[in-house]
Amino acid sequence: DQQVKQNSPSLSVQEGRISILNCDYTNSMFDYFLWYKKYPAEGPTFLISISSIKDKNEDGRFTVFLNKSAKHLSLHIVSSQPGDSAVYFCAASEGDKIIFGKGTRLHILP
Amino acid sequence: EPEVTQTPSHQVTQMGQEVILRCVPISNHLYFYWYRQILGQKVEFLVSFYNNEISEKSEIFDDQFSVERPDGSNFTLKIRSTKLEDSAMYFCASLRGGSGYGYTFGSGTRLTVV
Repeated sequence: DQQVKQNSPSLSVQEGRISILNCDYTNSMFDYFLWYKKYPAEGPTFLISISSIKDKNEDGRFTVFLNKSAKHLSLHIVSSQPGDSAVYFCAASEGDKIIFGKGTRLHILP
Repeated sequence: EPEVTQTPSHQVTQMGQEVILRCVPISNHLYFYWYRQILGQKVEFLVSFYNNEISEKSEIFDDQFSVERPDGSNFTLKIRSTKLEDSAMYFCASLRGGSGYGYTFGSGTRLTVV
């Protein structure tokens, strides 16, 4: 039962271009959506979040868009850099519990 | 910046043995969690702990597992009679408030059951 789905296991983007990572969810009761970034041998690191009452949140190069009617969110990373190469997890919050997607491995190509 | 610390970083154990994974959450956080990630799969919720008791647990968290906060600073996950399929990365996390926003994760313990 996948409540949070990331259908692309990997994505390759040229350095300097925009990276767009997508996520779908099934539970309309989620109140917060979050993106985590994970490097090998490290724990997930919080990147950006969005409340279910908003449709956009921006923090520097990172913007998260939420389309509640489609139960879809996306993470946009502008001016992608080699250091952005990592696994990105979409997650949703139900109370204090987080439900993660399977992750998308982002490769930034030189 | 405050960190969640997990030890050991890697633990190898024989099938059937007991292991204890240790975590030191951020000192003013009130909610504590264990998650795990089997290689190549998603990060899965195991258990949440608040006010010295389990507040929620997943189907994975059966009688083989237990958690404890023995001394007000450490938060431990005990796995009794380990099985091969318990091999995974185990992440501890802590949270100050009561929503899913603002988790801090530790770097994880890689458990290998042989």
